[in-house]
Amino acid sequence: ILNVEQSPQSLHVQEGDSTNFTCSFPSSNFYALHWYRWETAKSPEALFVMTLNGDEKKKGRISATLNTKEGYSYLYIKGSQPEDSATYLCADADRGSTLGRLYFGRGTQLTVWP
Amino acid sequence: DAGVIQSPRHEVTEMGQEVTLRCKPISGHNSLFWYRQTMMRGLELLIYFNNNVPIDDSGMPEDRFSAKMPNASFSTLKIQPSEPRDSAVYFCASSPRRPGGRAAYNEQFFGPGTRLTVL
Repeated sequence: ILNVEQSPQSLHVQEGDSTNFTCSFPSSNFYALHWYRWETAKSPEALFVMTLNGDEKKKGRISATLNTKEGYSYLYIKGSQPEDSATYLCADADRGSTLGRLYFGRGTQLTVWP
Repeated sequence: DAGVIQSPRHEVTEMGQEVTLRCKPISGHNSLFWYRQTMMRGLELLIYFNNNVPIDDSGMPEDRFSAKMPNASFSTLKIQPSEPRDSAVYFCASSPRRPGGRAAYNEQFFGPGTRLTVL
């Protein structure tokens, strides 16, 4: 079992604010780190899959960085909009298996107020 | 592509009844995962299959839970008998296996979930 921690648990920001949150994971034998976006009453959708130390991925106003040596990833949202309100999950890939099992954190719940 | 299909979307049943949840993965995906979402434990993996074979069922809470994948396009999760503490949203997800890459590199595609209420 991998220990994946996310912080903060919840975040409230005003429209237009930029924000970031953290995912930490064990640094040894790293395989991959996934970020998912989960809107209320919907199902999780993949944002990024990150595999290399120093990786930086971007999708519109959302970007993520990865530090495998110290075991953390940051997710950034630039100029938050109300439609960004969702729970953002990170997941660490199982190191003992090649078959794609993920260990999910509890998520950061983001609320963007207009 | 229709995405991952789950049925039913909502299920309300009485304690002691058998419940069967169904999942159709995305065509061509060879890994299938069953998750349960609760307030207490977040998103937890119950069981997963690779090429229709169960790989790890250590997340199945009790013998009352069972899952099958008789072919590449269908899986079931059964609870018998059901209890009120089984009330949760159950998600099915599938993942492709791309040639030459690790399965860990492939994102999972989630179905809409089944909201189960056991009275």
